[in-house]
Amino acid sequence: DTGVSQDPRHKITKRGQNVTFRCDPISEHNRLYWYRQTLGQGPEFLTYFQNEAQLEKSRLLSDRFSAERPKGSFSTLEIQRTEQGDSAMYLCASSFSVRGGSTYEQYFGPGTRLTVT
Amino acid sequence: GIQVEQSPPDLILQEGANSTLRCNFSDSVNNLQWFHQNPWGQLINLFYIPSGTKQNGRLSATTVATERYSLLYISSSQTTDSGVYFCAVRVDTSGTYKYIFGTGTRLKVLA
Repeated sequence: DTGVSQDPRHKITKRGQNVTFRCDPISEHNRLYWYRQTLGQGPEFLTYFQNEAQLEKSRLLSDRFSAERPKGSFSTLEIQRTEQGDSAMYLCASSFSVRGGSTYEQYFGPGTRLTVT
Repeated sequence: GIQVEQSPPDLILQEGANSTLRCNFSDSVNNLQWFHQNPWGQLINLFYIPSGTKQNGRLSATTVATERYSLLYISSSQTTDSGVYFCAVRVDTSGTYKYIFGTGTRLKVLA
């Protein structure tokens, strides 16, 4: 297994455009997480999925943001009508959890760096 | 909400020196991870340590959950240890949960 992968690694877009990022988790991991990290700050939790179900969404995830994990495997994060304040690193992580039991450590992908001009 | 604070915020060491990084959290947590973010932005797992002590080579970590803190020890530091160190705690809320990252410690190791 090659770990968590994200695509693209870099994205430059003009304000008002829509962008979509993809995350492929570690294959046996049933949980997938999205975070946003701005310069000099720690990652901020956005949302997470248990298989295909989206279970928690941060208030940071405005109406312009939507995330999906249609078959419980890869996930996409879409930002509509991008704003300059959306410029950040978008990180994806995955982990394995046992129903009703433990959740194990998260593993992070390399991130997608978004620049909105 | 829960506050996760790390100290010191910045640390400069000479190669070969030892250091201790601290993570304080303001409420009960269900697990805790330490990460190293390298200069390219990749977050690398160091420890998954909800409680107790673990060691991995020159690094070790201790979490005292009842006192709401965790420590990361780096011994015989090397220039490749440079980067930002984060702790992250899991907070359970109404059947789901989220992870909260600390403020980070930026470490620079000089040759």
